[in-house]
Amino acid sequence: LAKTTQPISMDSYEGQEVNITCSHNNIATNDYITWYQQFPSQGPRFIIQGYKTKVTNEVASLFIPADRKSSTLSLPRVSLSDTAVYYCLVGDHMFSGGYNKLIFGAGTRLAVHP
Amino acid sequence: DGGITQSPKYLFRKEGQNVTLSCEQNLNHDAMYWYRQDPGQGLRLIYYSQIVNDFQKGDIAEGYSVSREKKESFPLTVTSAQKNPTAFYLCASKRAGGETQYFGPGTRLLVL
Repeated sequence: LAKTTQPISMDSYEGQEVNITCSHNNIATNDYITWYQQFPSQGPRFIIQGYKTKVTNEVASLFIPADRKSSTLSLPRVSLSDTAVYYCLVGDHMFSGGYNKLIFGAGTRLAVHP
Repeated sequence: DGGITQSPKYLFRKEGQNVTLSCEQNLNHDAMYWYRQDPGQGLRLIYYSQIVNDFQKGDIAEGYSVSREKKESFPLTVTSAQKNPTAFYLCASKRAGGETQYFGPGTRLLVL
């Protein structure tokens, strides 16, 4: 199972763009990259998922280079409400005889300041 | 209104007592999961179930037990063998071949 490495914490200010990079050197061919957001005392919430290149939704963008050994979550114009822990996960989401085990590391604690 | 519900929100356990945490989903998902989260830490997998009447141990199954008698329900019992049960417990579900796990709101277990 691919292990991920991401910064323990980051600080930003309202209105800035935040980029959180995740390293996953041992990513397998079938693995997808998924990012979750978690607020205190709540369950994690899905943000975005991708396999390669760039994925964008209404919340964030995910950039994945050709070698797929890293990925970057980009949050445009953050606000105070974006203060949370962000988890990068790598796993095979296909239900093909195995199970979908996702490994949650400690995540990145993002603090957005006024 | 579809989703995952967990109850209770807070649970208190006395020494030597077994307690059961409820997890229900009406998303028609096949797979369900239980995680434990300690303060400032990530999530650790306790048990998971791919289909009804089948479940597998995760990374920290000792002191816990589960059942999967119905597709929509996956209760977790914290037994007296779990010596350090104080934590935030999260249940999740996912459809077969789906892209993401959906999490419930969590249950915080405290020991009296």
